[in-house]
Amino acid sequence: AQTVTQSQPEMSVQEAETVTLSCTYDTSESNYYLFWYKQPPSRQMILVIRQEAYKQQNATENRFSVNFQKAAKSFSLKISDSQLGDTAMYFCAFTYTGANSKLTFGKGITLSVRP
Amino acid sequence: ETGVTQSPTHLIKTRGQQVTLRCSSQSGHNTVSWYQQALGQGPQFIFQYYREEENGRGNFPPRFSGLQFPNYSSELNVNALELDDSALYLCASRDGPERYGYTFGSGTRLTVV
Repeated sequence: AQTVTQSQPEMSVQEAETVTLSCTYDTSESNYYLFWYKQPPSRQMILVIRQEAYKQQNATENRFSVNFQKAAKSFSLKISDSQLGDTAMYFCAFTYTGANSKLTFGKGITLSVRP
Repeated sequence: ETGVTQSPTHLIKTRGQQVTLRCSSQSGHNTVSWYQQALGQGPQFIFQYYREEENGRGNFPPRFSGLQFPNYSSELNVNALELDDSALYLCASRDGPERYGYTFGSGTRLTVV
């Protein structure tokens, strides 16, 4: 079974600063994918960034980047130049290749960006 | 049509009743999943359909059932509603391999009283 752990329930950051959200996971799968999703008050889950486990290079999407440590099973999200619109819940999620694959989510972290 | 659309957005039902939630996915999205998200928690996987066949199920009782239709729409049915079924129900779909991730709808907020 796969598990995803987000141990920080809440974080706060000043606008324009950098913040890092932590995530660890556990799996016996060898071919898997990791995601960070953002859920604003509108409730819709929005894909922020994805990482394929077989790729050593950390994924980057504009102000968002990840630190993927495969051996440590760690997958943190760094948000640079934080903006007020980044205020939301952030979920780390895992899936794998194969039959019956599904997304497994962590409990999420509430990020508040202060003006 | 782009995006994933869910209806209704909010719903209040009485314990013991039955409810049907609907989802319309993007054309070509052959895989659709349903998730239950309790307040302040991460989504929990209910089940998944691929080309109208269920191909995965989470730890939910049989009173949670679903259907997927050829026009990329799907339904989640819940019988004998319980108070603990109060949650946000999310529909998610994808048109390719798992690495592409899923597109989510905005969910249906179900309240059971």
